[in-house]
Amino acid sequence: GAGVSQSPSNKVTEKGKDVELRCDPISGHTALYWYRQSLGQGLEFLIYFQGNSAPDKSGLPSDRFSAERTGGSVSTLTIQRTQQEDSAVYLCASSLRPLAGMETQYFGPGTRLLVL
Amino acid sequence: DAKTTQPPSMDCAEGRAANLPCNHSTISGNEYVYWYRQIHSQGPQYIIHGLKNNETNEMASLIITEDRKSSTLILPHATLRDTAVYYCIVRALRGTGNQFYFGTGTSLTVIP
Repeated sequence: GAGVSQSPSNKVTEKGKDVELRCDPISGHTALYWYRQSLGQGLEFLIYFQGNSAPDKSGLPSDRFSAERTGGSVSTLTIQRTQQEDSAVYLCASSLRPLAGMETQYFGPGTRLLVL
Repeated sequence: DAKTTQPPSMDCAEGRAANLPCNHSTISGNEYVYWYRQIHSQGPQYIIHGLKNNETNEMASLIITEDRKSSTLILPHATLRDTAVYYCIVRALRGTGNQFYFGTGTSLTVIP
């Protein structure tokens, strides 16, 4: 596709359930980022993937959060045992050459997660 | 790590220039300043970025002070569609990863 896509666009789940959020980056982009945005708040960095390097997980808020990127393309963010405070918009972005000093991140539309 | 400070909100009359300030007093020499905006219910959209020289593209101009401790995003002729939250970001490189620190953002309202 032409841009970053995310699925599902909306997800409602019950407290304690696990959820998986998917991100398809722009073809050829080596870097992939996950952020989350709580209602009325700014973006919070979660995790970063670059090529085959070990991901930067420093933004993950707890060990209930994990992410993987298969084949250097699609990424899945998993939240285990969801809590109400996990309710937010989860945004994915990709970029072409982040270590070349010239980076533009292209964002997807986000997945709106609501934990009841 | 460099963080940014922005005013929480601004108004601008349609057709006038919108000047959005950002402070990044702890920026280091190899860090870029990026600007994004987010229109309600959409993902952030890239606007412009720079290191130390002023930059201009079809969307906006970026003015960075000589000491690089602050910058201003200029929308030369604001339209109603420019109403959005504008984020000033300093790009930090840490090991093999990247941290994008989004500031609080400035909610710009363009008034007819």
